[in-house]
Amino acid sequence: GQQVMQIPQYQHVQEGEDFTTYCNSSTTLSNIQWYKQRPGGHPVFLIQLVKSGEVKKQKRLTFQFGEAKKNSSLHITATQTTDVGTYFCASSGAGSYQLTFGKGTKLSVIP
Amino acid sequence: EAQVTQNPRYLITVTGKKLTVTCSQNMNHEYMSWYRQDPGLGLRQIYYSMNVEVTDKGDVPEGYKVSRKEKRNFPLILESPSPNQTSLYFCASSLETGAYEQYFGPGTRLTVT
Repeated sequence: GQQVMQIPQYQHVQEGEDFTTYCNSSTTLSNIQWYKQRPGGHPVFLIQLVKSGEVKKQKRLTFQFGEAKKNSSLHITATQTTDVGTYFCASSGAGSYQLTFGKGTKLSVIP
Repeated sequence: EAQVTQNPRYLITVTGKKLTVTCSQNMNHEYMSWYRQDPGLGLRQIYYSMNVEVTDKGDVPEGYKVSRKEKRNFPLILESPSPNQTSLYFCASSLETGAYEQYFGPGTRLTVT
């Protein structure tokens, strides 16, 4: 499957600070999905981006897909303790049935 | 309630003893897949299935088998488990291909001694 690199691996923030995780690929992505996994839980779908330059918002979460469709980001404004978990990006290549996940960014929020 | 179920949730076994982890979805999804999750390695796809009787290897298929005889079920078989297969396993399903939202099961924590 195609490779998606995700950084950082870990992020510790004070509650109220912002958080961003990045997903990068050396090849053009046909789409990008984002998932959240709470501690002890299973990954839960957040959103999918398919268009170049696309930006979508869900309350305090902002998702972007790069103009060249080779990178994506998830930004959380004013983190809360409920944001704790690991955030994964995932993508399937054009015409591919396989979904490849990044290694995830584990977010800790200090109250 | 739309869901993906896995059984068992926890399993401790010994090297070489064949085991099966079941996965079932009630959403009439065509696409199903298995992932393993290991610390620092994220989620890696083991096998996936596009429809009944159609399966293909993911990134880490060695030591695993799957079958898709019915649309709703996609069992994962370890014919001769080894300690390096100790992991957290997730089954997932989606409407059609991997380009659609994946619904994950609760996970199966497997320990092979």
